[in-house]
Amino acid sequence: EPEVTQTPSHQVTQMGQEVILRCVPISNHLYFYWYRQILGQKVEFLVSFYNNEISEKSEIFDDQFSVERPDGSNFTLKIRSTKLEDSAMYFCASSDRGGRGYEQYFGPGTRLTVT
Amino acid sequence: GIQVEQSPPDLILQEGANSTLRCNFSDSVNNLQWFHQNPWGQLINLFYIPSGTKQNGRLSATTVATERYSLLYISSSQTTDSGVYFCAVVEYGNKLVFGAGTILRVKS
Repeated sequence: EPEVTQTPSHQVTQMGQEVILRCVPISNHLYFYWYRQILGQKVEFLVSFYNNEISEKSEIFDDQFSVERPDGSNFTLKIRSTKLEDSAMYFCASSDRGGRGYEQYFGPGTRLTVT
Repeated sequence: GIQVEQSPPDLILQEGANSTLRCNFSDSVNNLQWFHQNPWGQLINLFYIPSGTKQNGRLSATTVATERYSLLYISSSQTTDSGVYFCAVVEYGNKLVFGAGTILRVKS
């Protein structure tokens, strides 16, 4: 069964450093998403991406964050100048269509620890 | 925005017992998903169930969209069922809004 994959599974970085989290969505999917979960809290939406541009983003997704689909298979989340409060689990998801009526498939997550 | 409430917040079961988890939402939805977060933090897709009933092994789910709730049934629980169960709905656009989750502990 096709699945979303994410690398690395765990990333430790120092405050102020840049990190890139990588995702390989399901191959025929067109919509891509990033969510994050701070330890002990709800999963929160960050951004959705379609046709090489951001289609929706939350208040959390400020100038510190960027997303990119650098090739036909990868989808990345870049965090510039990481802060302690960026420590969280980051989930990538994809769906074959957008809108309210389509299932989003989640990857296993990348645990980011900022020290 | 849409509110998603899950109950109970915590549940402790003896292995072999059955349980029902509930998800209430404040507005009509076209997408409702149930997830299991395992002890390693991974989110596992359980069901995509905007309406009706689905079953997968010992798990089943029912969504009554007109009454704005969904139920997740776990039968003959096993220790591997432990973790956090999340309900999530799409409010508008593509954004999934998650509930706070139900923490399930199954004791052997």
